[in-house]
This record gives sequence, C-alpha cells and structure tokens, in this order.
Amino acid sequence: TQLLEQSPQFLSIQEGENLTVYCNSSSVFSSLQWYRQEPGEGPVLLVTVVTGGEVKKLKRLTFQFGDARKDSSLHITAAQPGDTGLYLCAGAWAGKSTFGDGTTLTVKP
Amino acid sequence: EAGVAQSPRYKIIEKRQSVAFWCNPISGHATLYWYQQILGQGPKLLIQFQNNGVVDDSQLPKDRFSAERLKGVDSTLKIQPAKLEDSAVYLCASSLVLRRGGPGNTGELFFGEGSRLTVL
Repeated sequence: TQLLEQSPQFLSIQEGENLTVYCNSSSVFSSLQWYRQEPGEGPVLLVTVVTGGEVKKLKRLTFQFGDARKDSSLHITAAQPGDTGLYLCAGAWAGKSTFGDGTTLTVKP
Repeated sequence: EAGVAQSPRYKIIEKRQSVAFWCNPISGHATLYWYQQILGQGPKLLIQFQNNGVVDDSQLPKDRFSAERLKGVDSTLKIQPAKLEDSAVYLCASSLVLRRGGPGNTGELFFGEGSRLTVL
C-alpha cells in the first residue's frame, strides 16, 4: 500500500503571509496531483507534476515534485482568504491514485 | 462541458437501512471511481471501473457495499445494511483514460460535489 503523509495537518495564518505544505511518501509515483477542496464540495484539481524536480507555478501557488518523485511541496505567496480550504495531494501509480489526508488551511483577513 | 453529477447531495438514514447513490461522469471519460471521505481524512478508494468492468474493488466492503456501472456510463453505489461508521461523503470521480503505466495515465481525476451520508 502506498501512503502519502501531508504536513502540517492544520495551518492558520494571516492574510499576506507565505506558507508551505508538504506531501511525503516512501513510494515512487508516476505523477502527483494537488487538489483543493472547499466545505461541501468535491476536490478540484490544481496541478499535475510528472517529472522529478519539476516546478510549476499557478499564480501565487508554486508546486514542486521531488527529484526522486516521492514527495512534493506547495508554496503559497501572499495568502488570501480565498485560499482557505483543504489541500490534498494524490500520487498516481499503475492507474491508481492514493490520497493523503490533507492540510486544512485557514487564511484570516 | 458538464462536470460529474451526483445525487442525492444529502441523505440521512437509520442504521440497518439501505441507501443508493448515483453518479454520471463527464462524457467520454472511460474510468469512474467511488471514494469514501470520512470527516478529517482524505478520500479512500472504494471501487474503480474502466468502462463497465471493475479494475479495483479491493477496498470495497463487499458484505454491505455494491456498485455497478451498466453500459459503461452511469454508476450506482449501494449500501445495505448501513452502519454508523458508514457516515461519510461519497465522492464520484472520472478520468479520461486508464492505461497502466502508459501515456495519458496522468492520474487526473474530476470529482462530483459528493453525497453526504449520515447514519443514525
């Protein structure tokens, strides 16, 4: 069984601060996805990373895939209240996706 | 393009009763997934279909849960009889293609809004 550990579990910050959340595993994945989930909704795909060492930017969000394709990080610059939500990472291998338990981010105005 | 449709959004039942959830995936998506998400946890895969065949149901509690995807489009997930610990959000997701280890197998899933089940 491939497990993904996300940290921190909870994060509460003020608007304008920067933050980084992590997704770690002992397993290698062919790709890794980050999703954001708001209360009462399903997860929404933010990004897919495929190549070891890959960095992708989505406005104020920067995603990095580890060189060994076992871990990933999400960095948010100048967080806004609209960034509040549950951030989930999911690793894909052999047609299957395994999810972490997520980081719950709260950005206070 | 329409997204993944699920119904009902909410369901409250008593233990030992039965419940069924319905999912209509994005048009053209061959692979359909049912996930269970308990409060405070990430989604856990229950069953995965490609077209109308089962790819993975290893985590499905088959003594009480069943799922089908007739004609390779819509799917239903049934729980009978329900237990208190089945209280969760049941998420349906679809993806364009499943090709083990091959191109196009990016793992990108598109989720519905989920069906929240409360078992009393």
